[in-house]
Amino acid sequence: ETGVTQTPRHLVMGMTNKKSLKCEQHLGHNAMYWYKQSAKKPLELMFVYSLEERVENNSVPSRFSPECPNSSHLFLHLHTLQPEDSALYLCASSQDIYSGANVLTFGAGSRLTVL
Amino acid sequence: GQQVMQIPQYQHVQEGEDFTTYCNSSTTLSNIQWYKQRPGGHPVFLIQLVKSGEVKKQKRLTFQFGEAKKNSSLHITATQTTDVGTYFCAGSNSGSARQLTFGSGTQLTVLP
Repeated sequence: ETGVTQTPRHLVMGMTNKKSLKCEQHLGHNAMYWYKQSAKKPLELMFVYSLEERVENNSVPSRFSPECPNSSHLFLHLHTLQPEDSALYLCASSQDIYSGANVLTFGAGSRLTVL
Repeated sequence: GQQVMQIPQYQHVQEGEDFTTYCNSSTTLSNIQWYKQRPGGHPVFLIQLVKSGEVKKQKRLTFQFGEAKKNSSLHITATQTTDVGTYFCAGSNSGSARQLTFGSGTQLTVLP
């Protein structure tokens, strides 16, 4: 158990579906992140939240919508996705977003397949 | 923007051989981190280097941060099958995780 739990672990959805990915961290961290990991590409940072406030949004298409109701929970709402959005979506947390407290603890990931 | 290049992309070694992966940044880094991702798993933090010229060891793993803080390396001595996985470096020019840029990773295969 990594301290960061992601559900579901696997998700298959059609392009017209709406689904959500959930992440929960039990580490008392103040920052949470969504990363996308595609085959043969570096990890791509999608969103960063610090104390429930979004501090980074790296030009992610609006079909991905994050939500952070509190510092322990993070969601990624998905709708009208494209097949190229198929990837492993990793949630991570860190003590804070500031220097010296920036080591990431990753969840096991949600493997998304868009048909 | 900041770029972090990592080579090689793939490395196959015979068990017992040494292995090295290299990381180069287009800008001076505040710190660099290394992560390992086992097949089917998720990245797990290994170590963070902060000081220019810093060298840290973890058993058979040796991590170096260049004098100019623009490059880093991970060296594994006498690889074992448990070393299999993808090794990622990740650097930040501000020290903040919100600006952490990952390298593309080196996938290590260890042949028994």
